Amino acid sequence: GQQLNQSPQSMFIQEGEDVSMNCTSSSIFNTWLWYKQDPGEGPVLLIALYKAGELTSNGRLTAQFGITRKDSFLNISASIPSDVGIYFCAGRGAGSYQLTFGKGTKLSVIP
Amino acid sequence: GAVVSQHPSRVICKSGTSVKIECRSLDFQATTMFWYRQFPKQSLMLMATSNEGSKATYEQGVEKDKFLINHASLTLSTLTVTSAHPEDSSFYICSARADTGTTSNPGYTFGSGTRLTVV
Repeated sequence: GQQLNQSPQSMFIQEGEDVSMNCTSSSIFNTWLWYKQDPGEGPVLLIALYKAGELTSNGRLTAQFGITRKDSFLNISASIPSDVGIYFCAGRGAGSYQLTFGKGTKLSVIP
Repeated sequence: GAVVSQHPSRVICKSGTSVKIECRSLDFQATTMFWYRQFPKQSLMLMATSNEGSKATYEQGVEKDKFLINHASLTLSTLTVTSAHPEDSSFYICSARADTGTTSNPGYTFGSGTRLTVV
């Protein structure tokens, strides 16, 4: 089946720093989604990408759909304490409505 | 925006009893709903996909007789954990896919999850 490699697994950064995380897939995806999950809550959609090469921003967040359709990255600029949480990438392949999730990136922001 | 309501948020039950978790799409019709299980510090694991009016499709290794899924309407899907045991304790999350009518924009909205503890 499809596999997603998400890295890094965890990050400790100083408040104000920029953050970058990425996901790579063993197969082509038609959709890439980035979610943030707070403890005890469900994932909340941050950015959705639907076309290869697409670059989309949501406030301080920017994500790109890789041109090979096998990777995506998420950048967070000028991190703040409330950015703390677990970030998941998710992809949807052709012919399926199911999402495949990465293992998550745990972000810690040091004030 | 699309909202998915999941409840209960927390439930504690005795071993051997059954627990029902509800997932409702509040402002859209969801032809497809997904049920996930998440262990501590791990990613979401898809358990099953349910389509309104038809039987759910379970992922390999998920016992369909233990995790009963019903998707009787376009806005409601339920997951019943039958004869629960301590190893069923976990965080269960539902997701609803909005049928926007475009293949390029399938919206996925998640519920807030249910923490199940079996004692």
